[in-house]
This record gives sequence, structure tokens and C-alpha cells, in this order.
Amino acid sequence: GQNIDQPTEMTATEGAIVQINCTYQTSGFNGLFWYQQHAGEAPTFLSYNVLDGLEEKGRFSSFLSRSKGYSYLLLKELQMKDSASYLCAPFRTNAGKSTFGDGTTLTVKP
Amino acid sequence: DGGITQSPKYLFRKEGQNVTLSCEQNLNHDAMYWYRQDPGQGLRLIYYSQIVNDFQKGDIAEGYSVSREKKESFPLTVTSAQKNPTAFYLCASSILNIQGNVIQYFGAGTRLSVL
Repeated sequence: GQNIDQPTEMTATEGAIVQINCTYQTSGFNGLFWYQQHAGEAPTFLSYNVLDGLEEKGRFSSFLSRSKGYSYLLLKELQMKDSASYLCAPFRTNAGKSTFGDGTTLTVKP
Repeated sequence: DGGITQSPKYLFRKEGQNVTLSCEQNLNHDAMYWYRQDPGQGLRLIYYSQIVNDFQKGDIAEGYSVSREKKESFPLTVTSAQKNPTAFYLCASSILNIQGNVIQYFGAGTRLSVL
């Protein structure tokens, strides 16, 4: 993705907690999406942060710092089905479009 | 049954042929998008439309064309000028709510291959 950095791969153990980081250039971006994408399937919406801070939704939480161009997705109580790619996508409200990172492939092991 | 419907699920293109991918949404979303995804990579924006009868080029518009004659529909044509069309094509739609939150969903995608 354009100046959007995510780790390429991560591995974690079932039941553990994992944090997937995303950094981006701050210019013009107002909010940020996180998507989950299983192999061969379309992305599934996880979260959209428009304010700084942490938002929690069940086992998944997402954090945003717009001034620092930094976000993370926190996955708790990992399950095998959480093995997927996680896509970070900052959004420009004025332009009405997102820019996607290349994604982080998470592998959950027993 | 609301959502975004893409068809066909699989499509094969012969050399020199134009093909059209369909995307329909009944979510009453204003904006619609076409992305391309190559293996192991993220999504790249082809075209997007924020309102009927208007659309803008994304990052990789060359070899593609779109129309937005109805709010519900945003078809993508892959022309013969696109020399490497094999990819997974994803359509999305979004709406900005009064709180400033954006809701964006994807269709199931169309896999295009060249014969």
C-alpha cells in the first residue's frame, strides 16, 4: 500500500492476545478501517475509527492516533478461525476513499 | 436480504475481448468502489463514485471503464487495453453517517482469468 506499513506475517497461539500495528502518513486521512480477509474470500468489516483512542467490540479492539499516523488491532482469546489477513485502510473523508495496506497474515496455532 | 451482489463469481476473458463485471447494492449507499487484488497483495482502487452520474479514477484506472447511471449499480468494464487483467475484483459501497462514521461493505468478488 501507499506508505502504509503493516507487518507481513504474525503467528500466535490459540487463546493468546495479538496486536497488529499499522502506521501511515497522516496527510489528509480522517479515519481508519480494519478488515479481516480469509483466503479466497472478500474482506469483512471489523471497525472504523474516526476519533483517537480505543474502541472495543467483543474480542476485537481497534486503536487510532491520527496525529501519530498509528493504529493497531487487538485480538483477544484467539481462536483458530482468526487465522486470516488483516487489512488496515486509512480513509479520506473529503475524497471519500480509502488506501489499503498490503495486509498482515495472522496464523493461529494450537 | 440486503447487501452487495457481484456477478459473475468467475469470469474468463479471451484476448482482445471486453468484459463487464456487475455490482448491485440495495443498502442505499451513496458511494461505490471497484478494487483489484492480486495474490498476496492489498487492494488497489480502480474507480470510485460518490454520486450518481459522477465517478473518479483511482490509482490503477488504465484499461478499465465504469458507469454510474443508477445509485444501486456500478458496473466495471475490463477492456482489451488492460493487458494483465487476471485478478480478484471487489466492489464495495459506503455511507457516511451523521456521527462522522463511515460504513463500508464489500461484495463477494469476481475472479477474472484470461484464456
